[in-house]
Parts: sequence; structure tokens; C-alpha cells
Amino acid sequence: KNEVEQSPQNLTAQEGEFITINCSYSVGISALHWLQQHPGGGIVSLFMLSSGKKKHGRLIATINIQEKHSSLHITASHPRDSAVYICAVDRGAQKLVFGQGTRLTINP
Amino acid sequence: GAVVSQHPSRVICKSGTSVKIECRSLDFQATTMFWYRQFPKQSLMLMATSNEGSKATYEQGVEKDKFLINHASLTLSTLTVTSAHPEDSSFYICSAIGGTPSYEQYFGPGTRLTVT
Repeated sequence: KNEVEQSPQNLTAQEGEFITINCSYSVGISALHWLQQHPGGGIVSLFMLSSGKKKHGRLIATINIQEKHSSLHITASHPRDSAVYICAVDRGAQKLVFGQGTRLTINP
Repeated sequence: GAVVSQHPSRVICKSGTSVKIECRSLDFQATTMFWYRQFPKQSLMLMATSNEGSKATYEQGVEKDKFLINHASLTLSTLTVTSAHPEDSSFYICSAIGGTPSYEQYFGPGTRLTVT
């Protein structure tokens, strides 16, 4: 079993819908990252969080340390949000263990 | 935000040759850089941790003699794939820690290596 599991693996939605991507992990962590990978492969760091909730524009990330679970939400989704979203946990010294990614497609 | 560049973005080489990939932090000093590999439709996997002026630390299963890492300055780390084989074809990504906030990890755009 992977240390970091994401669901769903693929998600297709219509423009404007509220999106939720989930991440569960089974190990102790110092922080959790949400990353966005576009078709060309480049990766952008969206959030790093170790407790509670963070918001940046239409993106919201939450983490529950006790339940070892994090969610990434996108409000008012747009086709430009189409990308692979990756959850990664920091097991210490900033060494990241990655989930398999969630491929999000937003149709106009 | 801080910028990390990689060069080249794509490279095709013949089996048996060596390929060097550069990772640069453009506007900050990176105390630590990481090298990752991503096979098609798979997660990124950490290959090694590179600290300036010291030997890289390799993850289990990564051959240090095959993947040579040099972190000669606070803004440059290089990954050399030696005697490349087709199974080394992959997407290689670096990241760097530094800048502001200093705990943030900044990713490069990646290098797609194809070995024929």
C-alpha cells in the first residue's frame, strides 16, 4: 500500500463546479504539500500546510493531522484549472513522498 | 516567487552516452536541491538530495555511480546520467530550498530524457 493515496485518480467536471480532491497518508509527517503539474510537466507548489486550512484565490487546502487526511478544493472551477494535482508529504528534512496524482479535466 | 530553471528541457541521446542536466536557482541561494524522476503515469520519486559543497545523499535503489550529482555552488546542481540506457528515459525534475520563505520548495520545469 502506498504511503500517500489520492482520490479520485481522474476527475472530469463542468466549468463552475466545486472540486474536491482527497489525500490520505499513513506515516508521520512534518508538512503536506499540494502541487499542480501541467501537461508540459512543470510543477507549481500550491500549498504547504501542517495544520488547519489555507486559502489562495479559488483554492482551499485543509488538513486533519489526527485523521491523516487532507483535501484540496477548487471553487468556481475553470478549464484552465485542468492539470494533475499531486499531494506530497514531508517525512522530515523536506524529503517528499508523492501521491499518484489526480488528473482533473474541467470542460467548458 | 523564486525561480528554478533546468537545462535542457528535452534531450535525446544514444544508448551508452552520458547526459548532463543542470538545475539553477535564478534569484536565490539554494542550500539544498533535490532530484526527482517521474516515469509515465507514475508519481515523482526522490532520487537524491544535494547539498552545496558535500556529497549527495541517494535514495535506496538509486545507483550513485550511474546518476552523478554535483552541487558546486549555491545556485547550481547538475545530474549526469552516465552510460544511459533506454530504461533511463524519464522526466527528471529538480527542486530547491531557499529564498523566501526559506522552507518553501521550488520546482524546476523538468527535463525529458529519451535514450534511443
